[in-house]
Amino acid sequence: DSGVTQTPKHLITATGQRVTLRCSPRSGDLSVYWYQQSLDQGLQFLIQYYNGEERAKGNILERFSAQQFPDLHSELNLSSLELGDSALYFCASSVDGRRGSTQYFGPGTRLTVL
Amino acid sequence: SQQGEEDPQALSIQEGENATMNCSYKTSINNLQWYRQNSGRGLVHLILIRSNEREKHSGRLRVTLDTSKKSSSLLITASRAADTASYFCATDALMEYGNKLVFGAGTILRVKS
Repeated sequence: DSGVTQTPKHLITATGQRVTLRCSPRSGDLSVYWYQQSLDQGLQFLIQYYNGEERAKGNILERFSAQQFPDLHSELNLSSLELGDSALYFCASSVDGRRGSTQYFGPGTRLTVL
Repeated sequence: SQQGEEDPQALSIQEGENATMNCSYKTSINNLQWYRQNSGRGLVHLILIRSNEREKHSGRLRVTLDTSKKSSSLLITASRAADTASYFCATDALMEYGNKLVFGAGTILRVKS
């Protein structure tokens, strides 16, 4: 158990819908990362937050947005869902968000868009 | 494109044998990490090796790093059925104000009992 929690574990929804994925980092970790894992793209970085502020952005679609709240939990919002958004979404946290700090991953949310 | 590329893509061995997975990367690195993923589950951090280190051990795991060849290897000794998983190498890429992990495609390891 990494200490990172993600809810829900599974999500099944229809195209065009909007969903929210939730992540709680390990106790004491200030930085949260979101990654997407799909069969065709592999593991891809989406976005990083540190203490409530956005720090780095990957190839995150404009339909996707995220935020980190004052209590350090984070949410990833996916809207106007398409079939291709079906994937495993991981949240990871690190203590200081710096290069070289270990990122600990949550169990993931499996999103299925029908 | 992915930074790290693992080799082989899939590996099948008998319990008790050693398993070696290789990873190559393209740019200079600060460190390289290995993660394990059991079927469709979360990523478990195994080991981090810094660019100034050549070898690191953790239990039955041995990681080597050759920065001149831009490659790393993960050796699992005396493998067990429970080692069956996908193994990924990841490099830590610096961005303007933050950083990210860049993962390879992974090696699928199957340990037969």
